[in-house]
Amino acid sequence: AQSVTQPDIHITVSEGASLELRCNYSYGATPYLFWYVQSPGQGLQLLLKYFSGDTLVQGIKGFEAEFKRSQSSFNLRKPSVHWSDAAEYFCAVGAGNFGNEKLTFGTGTRLTIIP
Amino acid sequence: DAGVIQSPRHEVTEMGQEVTLRCKPISGHDYLFWYRQTMMRGLELLIYFNNNVPIDDSGMPEDRFSAKMPNASFSTLKIQPSEPRDSAVYFCASSLKRGGQNGVLFFGEGSRLTVL
Repeated sequence: AQSVTQPDIHITVSEGASLELRCNYSYGATPYLFWYVQSPGQGLQLLLKYFSGDTLVQGIKGFEAEFKRSQSSFNLRKPSVHWSDAAEYFCAVGAGNFGNEKLTFGTGTRLTIIP
Repeated sequence: DAGVIQSPRHEVTEMGQEVTLRCKPISGHDYLFWYRQTMMRGLELLIYFNNNVPIDDSGMPEDRFSAKMPNASFSTLKIQPSEPRDSAVYFCASSLKRGGQNGVLFFGEGSRLTVL
């Protein structure tokens, strides 16, 4: 069974600073990997996904993530955060025939932005 | 296009009462998922449907929980009888397997359930 670990429960960064959120996964085959963001009182929204090919993927809102098979990691990065990036971020791994079924989510990392 | 629509947004009920949560997926999507989110357990997949057929309900906590999808545009999650430990935010999500959209879930805004 697949699993996802997000080791940081809460991260605080200053506006304009760079950001890296960590994600480690466990899955026996090539994973389908995702980052979702959840603003307070809202559902989750897809930031970016990795299925295959280039291991550096670009997403919305200026986010990117890099798939590193050797480290079983899929860390999320942003060079300069904005106050509107404050939210909870979830990494997820997909399984199934086409990676659609049974997305398993990590426990999330809450991001706080200070002025 | 309208997104995934869930109702009610908030539900407060007493222990032992029946609760029905509703979901309208995005038109044309062929997968529908029910997730539950709590502080203690995070996001848990309860059940998912493909073309209105339940595929995997192994995440449904117990027999008090049931889900149906009578047609492509409507699904319900029912809890009967409800217990305080069922208090959580329940999310419905839909997705489309084709066109490179595998795993791209579109979430509703959730139904926050409080069982007293």
